[in-house]
Amino acid sequence: KQEVTQIPAALSVPEGENLVLNCSFTDSAIYNLQWFRQDPGKGLTSLLLIQSSQREQTSGRLNASLDKSSGRSTLYIAASQPGDSATYLCAVYGGSQGNLIFGKGTKLSVKP
Amino acid sequence: SAVISQKPSRDICQRGTSLTIQCQVDSQVTMMFWYRQQPGQSLTLIATANQGSEATYESGFVIDKFPISRPNLTFSTLTVSNMSPEDSSIYLCSVGTSGGYEQYFGPGTRLTVT
Repeated sequence: KQEVTQIPAALSVPEGENLVLNCSFTDSAIYNLQWFRQDPGKGLTSLLLIQSSQREQTSGRLNASLDKSSGRSTLYIAASQPGDSATYLCAVYGGSQGNLIFGKGTKLSVKP
Repeated sequence: SAVISQKPSRDICQRGTSLTIQCQVDSQVTMMFWYRQQPGQSLTLIATANQGSEATYESGFVIDKFPISRPNLTFSTLTVSNMSPEDSSIYLCSVGTSGGYEQYFGPGTRLTVT
């Protein structure tokens, strides 16, 4: 059974700092991995999708990498801003119904 | 991408009542999913709703408690029946693109049961 783990559970950084969020999964046979952002009490916003054949994806200040063999992905956020404060969720596509399997998320707080 | 709306955005309900949540998509999609996010937890799949077939429920979720309708390719409803405080959660609708590779989520419905 696929399990997704995210470390750390919470992170607080000063504005301007570069940071890395980690995601690991137990079954390397995934089709893709998706990073989401969730603001308090809100739905999910898709940030980046990495297909299983890809190593990384970039969007603006965000860069996500994928190492299937080791079961790991990282989300790199450059020059963090207070507006980046949110919970970041990692999910792998591979549930029995074609659904996503989620980690518990990393709650990021960027202090001005 | 797909734009998804949900109604209601939030509700406070009494124990023993039922609430129906609507999910509307701006394009035709094959795969629709319903997830639950309990307080402080991550998302858990309730069921998959594909048009023209019965919903498929994950272990721990049953049709009597969470009946789902999928009348067409742009709309679905999830009913939370005979509610208890343990049903207090955010309920999210999601759709899959062709091949199901990328998924998009609605804004969620925040349910509080008193």
